[in-house]
Amino acid sequence: QVELRQWGPGLLKPSETLSLTCAVYVGSFSGNYWTWIRQTPEKGLEWIGEISHGGSANYNPSFKPRVTISVDRSKNQFSLKLTSVTAGDTATYYCARIPVATGGELLYLDYWGRGTPVLVSS
Amino acid sequence: DIQMTQSPSSLSASVGDRVTITCRASQNISHYLNWYQQKPGKAPKLLIHSVSTLQSGVPSRFIASGSGTDFTLTISSLQAEDCATYHCQQSYTKPRTFGQGTNLE
Repeated sequence: QVELRQWGPGLLKPSETLSLTCAVYVGSFSGNYWTWIRQTPEKGLEWIGEISHGGSANYNPSFKPRVTISVDRSKNQFSLKLTSVTAGDTATYYCARIPVATGGELLYLDYWGRGTPVLVSS
Repeated sequence: DIQMTQSPSSLSASVGDRVTITCRASQNISHYLNWYQQKPGKAPKLLIHSVSTLQSGVPSRFIASGSGTDFTLTISSLQAEDCATYHCQQSYTKPRTFGQGTNLE
């Protein structure tokens, strides 16, 4: 059973940088993609971006150029950085796994972290 | 971006009822459609992927179908533990997008 544990500060001021980390416990880090999703009551679930275990990242254009997702293979961890946050970035942030299907397709998110609520407020 | 529209937004039903939720994509997404179940205060949980493939451990009362732009999730006999919000999600192209959710009470 794959377990994802995520952490990071829950309170930020406007213009600061949001930094979250997700660690993979049990299960393989390699051979999968890793993703960040956020959820707000207004917009629901939003895909922020994803990264391969090798470090190749794709981002939602809505978050460019503020977003960076990186991977630390030595620690089986991946991280999210979102710069210049505003109140609009207040959300619960989730990390999740995207397994690579036999044909190389990335089809679904099968394991999720518990979520980190983030409040952006002055 | 592909827009995913779910209906209804909320639904009230009783134990034993047959419940159907629909998800419509703004363009053809073939079979690249997933369903997630989310209970209050919890992360979403993968329920069904690739239109109709049940994730391991998901009860057989969950039935899903569709193709192209129109998809449905049916719970054949609603149980109390099925009260949750259900989200559809397309994996046809990036950015990956979700429906707004259907709150099943």
